[in-house]
Amino acid sequence: GAVVSQHPSRVICKSGTSVKIECRSLDFQATTMFWYRQFPKQSLMLMATSNEGSKATYEQGVEKDKFLINHASLTLSTLTVTSAHPEDSSFYICSARQRDYYNEQFFGPGTRLTVL
Amino acid sequence: RKEVEQDPGPFNVPEGATVAFNCTYSNSASQSFFWYRQDCRKEPKLLMSVYSSGNEDGRFTAQLNRASQYISLLIRDSKLSDSATYLCVAGGDNQGGKLIFGQGTELSVKP
Repeated sequence: GAVVSQHPSRVICKSGTSVKIECRSLDFQATTMFWYRQFPKQSLMLMATSNEGSKATYEQGVEKDKFLINHASLTLSTLTVTSAHPEDSSFYICSARQRDYYNEQFFGPGTRLTVL
Repeated sequence: RKEVEQDPGPFNVPEGATVAFNCTYSNSASQSFFWYRQDCRKEPKLLMSVYSSGNEDGRFTAQLNRASQYISLLIRDSKLSDSATYLCVAGGDNQGGKLIFGQGTELSVKP
């Protein structure tokens, strides 16, 4: 149980395009989903916290108009990188937290974004 | 100062060796602590939670010292398959359930 999927696993796009990444909890309801970004040889950095049915809470320094998050259901959250540029190239990972299991997060397999 | 600090390594050890990783956290209000393992280009996977009383899972032992805000992980009889990056993580209800990750410590176990 507690499986989280992400799609796509890998995407290469041209500068200026927008990319949507999906995060799904497959066998549980995720009241909260988290979006992280990881650059090479660096740690996971939390970008935003997404609660179902409400606006996402962004970490300091993360542009909410550039990284659009939608958490429309208890099993799906999406991250859209708008007008992507080469510096947005990174490994994006989501995690999901079950209702009543407050401290445990289950991670998706990640999406590797390369912006040319 | 980073909220969670680790020695990035790399730690290069022979098979069978015992290796210890240390981590410090700055937020004294943190309530939950974990060690995650991350393989190259993969997502992190939970290795074990860390409790004040210390906990052991096979060859792995984790310790928490709240007074010093210090967390450790001990790996005994290391295997080639233990080669990975080990992430120290702190979080808690008072932080909205957020997890703060350390930079990670790279371990390479050699034959």
